[in-house]
Amino acid sequence: QKEVEQDPGPLSVPEGAIVSLNCTYSNSAFQYFMWYRQYSRKGPELLMYTYSSGNKEDGRFTAQVDKSSKYISLFIRDSQPSDSATYLCAMSEGNTGKLIFGQGTTLQVKP
Amino acid sequence: DAGVTQSPTHLIKTRGQQVTLRCSPKSGHDTVSWYQQALGQGPQFIFQYYEEEERQRGNFPDRFSGHQFPNYSSELNVNALLLGDSALYLCASSLVASGRETQYFGPGTRLLVL
Repeated sequence: QKEVEQDPGPLSVPEGAIVSLNCTYSNSAFQYFMWYRQYSRKGPELLMYTYSSGNKEDGRFTAQVDKSSKYISLFIRDSQPSDSATYLCAMSEGNTGKLIFGQGTTLQVKP
Repeated sequence: DAGVTQSPTHLIKTRGQQVTLRCSPKSGHDTVSWYQQALGQGPQFIFQYYEEEERQRGNFPDRFSGHQFPNYSSELNVNALLLGDSALYLCASSLVASGRETQYFGPGTRLLVL
């Protein structure tokens, strides 16, 4: 069993839809949770960073962490074609910098 | 403000050869981490350098080694290349004072081993 599981998709939605991306994990020691966006043939770009449980909002993006269920989510409101990319969840145990990534979910937003 | 830069962008090698990849961290950052990303997979942690020393290491063989220079730039060396080493190699930088988890990635070096 992988430490971090992420549905690879692909996920295709119409422009303006609400998108939900999810990851589950098995290591209860994870405390830091990140979401990255990766465009084709580019490096990952940090979108959201959350410590411990709770919600965090940044513009059209909302990150949720439920440590009791070992489940994290990223919601994208009013999705745009420019949001079409691969979304990677990542997590780490402490201030180590050793990030464990999910497989990535490929999202396509159709105009 | 320059972000993380990596060189070269692409590289083709044959089995058994050795390769060196280079990374310059984001301005002001002092920690460099290296990741390997196979096609269709998430990045896998190789190792991390801080104060010119390897601080953390992932599950990679000794064929993978690195170095950090006094100006915080870093190199990743891979010896005795295997076909399975073909991947995108990503460098990420962070600042200890801000938390090592906040990592900024470069564009990567795409390595093809024939």
